[in-house]
Amino acid sequence: AQSVTQPDIHITVSEGASLELRCNYSYGATPYLFWYVQSPGQGLQLLLKYFSGDTLVQGIKGFEAEFKRSQSSFNLRKPSVHWSDAAEYFCAVGARAAGNKLTFGGGTRVLVKP
Amino acid sequence: DADVTQTPRNRITKTGKRIMLECSQTKGHDRMYWYRQDPGLGLQLIYYSFDVKDINKGEISDGYSVSRQAQAKFSLSLESAIPNQTALYFCATSDTGVAGELFFGEGSRLTVL
Repeated sequence: AQSVTQPDIHITVSEGASLELRCNYSYGATPYLFWYVQSPGQGLQLLLKYFSGDTLVQGIKGFEAEFKRSQSSFNLRKPSVHWSDAAEYFCAVGARAAGNKLTFGGGTRVLVKP
Repeated sequence: DADVTQTPRNRITKTGKRIMLECSQTKGHDRMYWYRQDPGLGLQLIYYSFDVKDINKGEISDGYSVSRQAQAKFSLSLESAIPNQTALYFCATSDTGVAGELFFGEGSRLTVL
């Protein structure tokens, strides 16, 4: 069975500073990996995804993530955080063998200090 | 208008009551999902449907049932609500064969007293 761990429940970062959110997954074959963002009172929005190919993927809102097979990780990064990036971020793993259903991590809540 | 619409957005009910959460979509997707969100647990899949005649249980289907009335409509029912079903519920859709690109509604917050 697939699983996802987001080790950090909360992260506080100053506006303009860099941000990195950690995600570790467990799955036997090559997974599909995703990052979603949930702004307060909203549903989840896809930030970026990895299926295959280049292990560094670019997403919306200036985010990027790097797939590292050797570390079973898919960490999300942003070089300079804006106040509007305050939200909850979810990593998810899927696989064609699992009927393309997604398994989500517990989420990381990001607070942005002025 | 939102592509994925959930009603009601908020509901407070009592233990033992029957509750239905409704979801409709204008994206034309065949696949629809119901997720439950609890703090620290992320989203857990309750039920999913790959087309009108195909309904499947997810990770946490006990105590829930669903109905796929049409391609665009997918309802979640709690036949006899209990307090530990207090949560935020999300409906989502996806296109056939495109893994993981889920489109979410804004959520339905349910409180069971």
